[in-house]
Amino acid sequence: LAKTTQPISMDSYEGQEVNITCSHNNIATNDYITWYQQFPSQGPRFIIQGYKTKVTNEVASLFIPADRKSSTLSLPRVSLSDTAVYYCLVGNSGGYQKVTFGTGTKLQVIP
Amino acid sequence: GAVVSQHPSRVICKSGTSVKIECRSLDFQATTMFWYRQFPKQSLMLMATSNEGSKATYEQGVEKDKFLINHASLTLSTLTVTSAHPEDSSFYICSASNLGQGSLEAFFGQGTRLTVV
Repeated sequence: LAKTTQPISMDSYEGQEVNITCSHNNIATNDYITWYQQFPSQGPRFIIQGYKTKVTNEVASLFIPADRKSSTLSLPRVSLSDTAVYYCLVGNSGGYQKVTFGTGTKLQVIP
Repeated sequence: GAVVSQHPSRVICKSGTSVKIECRSLDFQATTMFWYRQFPKQSLMLMATSNEGSKATYEQGVEKDKFLINHASLTLSTLTVTSAHPEDSSFYICSASNLGQGSLEAFFGQGTRLTVV
């Protein structure tokens, strides 16, 4: 799987929009970009997935530029409950794929 | 979305004993499941890939005789930590894929906190 690079940590005040960027310079043509959220002592939870341009769901938006070498997870109006670690993964489902995690970004939402 | 259930959520065992952790896909069939270990303040580390009906594939540095994986059915994979030692204390997480063509979506269990005393 393509290696990803994210900021180790970020702080944000409640109600602000948070953008977390992930670099994946060696992304392959058939790779997708997927973001997961993990709370302490819980398994990761799927947030959003995309291939190119922009994807939006009820939780977040994912922005992917044309070269796909990076992506940005956007969380609108964060609350304290959004404090978690966010992981960016890049890969595809050809055969028995592996889901391997990078360091993730620890988001701390401040009241 | 698909649900993956992991049991138990936490377990304490004595050194030298074995502990079995179960991972079930509740509403889909998973030909492949993954087992991870996560130490405090660290990322998930892939331990092995569990394949239904065949031997698991272990990552480099993971002892297959210590971490026994059995994927006997399309909805159940088990991880047995044999002869556990305090250094095996960790958070163990499983995941299963409901493979969609061209997508990468995995569903994770809630994790098992293992403490070896």
